[in-house]
This record gives sequence, C-alpha cells and structure tokens, in this order.
Amino acid sequence: EPEVTQTPSHQVTQMGQEVILRCVPISNHLYFYWYRQILGQKVEFLVSFYNNEISEKSEIFDDQFSVERPDGSNFTLKIRSTKLEDSAMYFCATGTSGEEQFFGPGTRLTVL
Amino acid sequence: AQSVSQHNHHVILSEAASLELGCNYSYGGTVNLFWYVQYPGQHLQLLLKYFSGDPLVKGIKGFEAEFIKSKFSFNLRKPSVQWSDTAEYFCAVIPTGRRALTFGSGTRLQVQP
Repeated sequence: EPEVTQTPSHQVTQMGQEVILRCVPISNHLYFYWYRQILGQKVEFLVSFYNNEISEKSEIFDDQFSVERPDGSNFTLKIRSTKLEDSAMYFCATGTSGEEQFFGPGTRLTVL
Repeated sequence: AQSVSQHNHHVILSEAASLELGCNYSYGGTVNLFWYVQYPGQHLQLLLKYFSGDPLVKGIKGFEAEFIKSKFSFNLRKPSVQWSDTAEYFCAVIPTGRRALTFGSGTRLQVQP
C-alpha cells in the first residue's frame, strides 16, 4: 500500500539555522499539508497546498515558514531561522481530495 | 474557530472489554469528522470518517462511531478490544469546504492481556 514518506526522521539544529523538511506524497495525490505536534500538545495545522499555491494557513505559519514543491514530487517545509519553540514533530499529509488526509511518519525537529 | 475535546486522556482496559472514547466538537456549521489511530512507533492512520448520511459509521478493525448532531459528539466504540488496539486515538474535524484538520488532544488506550 502506498505511503507518505518523510525525511529526515530526526533533525537536530542550532537556534537560528534554517531547516528543510521533506515529504514524498503518494503519487496521485494533489493536496498537501503540514502539521506539527509540540511534545505533550495537540497536533496543529500549519498549511495546506494545492495547485502550487497555499490554499489555507494557520496563525502559526508566519514569515519564518515556507512550502514548495521544488521538483513536482517532493513537498518541502522550510523554517528559515529556527527557534527553541519550533522543536516539535512535523507531519506531512497528502490527499486526492480536500477531505481525506494520509499522514507520513513525521520528522522530529530538535532545536538547541 | 472550531475546537475538539477528548475527555479521556488515558484509558486502561482488559482484553474483551468494550470501549467508548468520547469526542465533542464546537463549531456552528457543518463538519466532516474523523478518528485517527497512532500505534506505537507508527504514523497516524485513518480509522473512520463521517461526511454525511447514516450517523453510525463503521471503520477498520471493528471500530465504529456515532455522530450525534444535537450533542456535537462523535464517540468511538468497539464492542471487544484486543491487546493490538493499544494505541493513541485522535478525533478530528474539518468544517465543510475547509482544509485544516483540527485535532483533539488524543486518548491513550492501553489494553492489558
């Protein structure tokens, strides 16, 4: 069964550094999402992406964050200048419609 | 903005016991409702979903959920749990026409053999 994959599984970075988290969607999926879960807290929506543009974003998704599909397959989340509070599990999700979302295994980001 | 409440944070059951996990949401319009499960060391998987129609929906692995519109609830049930059901369960909603899932805080289910 096809699955969403994410790399790396764990990323450790220094505060102020830029990180790029990568997601490979299921092949026929057109809708892409990023969520995050800070330890001990709820899973929170960050952004949705469709037809090469952001379709919806949350208050968390400020100028520090950006998303793109650089090569038509990978879907990336860039965090420009990481802060301690960005430490979290980041989940990519993809779907064929705007309703059902299939999640990847997540990338654990640790900012030191 | 919508919100989702899961009242049970940690549930411990013996095998063959019945399960009911509560989920309530707050939102004034129509919503699509979901239950996701996360087994230890695995990613979030869709257990079942409700968009419209019969308010009693059946999912994988013998799970079912009932949407009660008047109570803004979408409780998850299973008549007889197994040790393999040990996992974290998340209720989530999307207002119709939107893209962002809003999750509850999750319920950790531990099934003892």
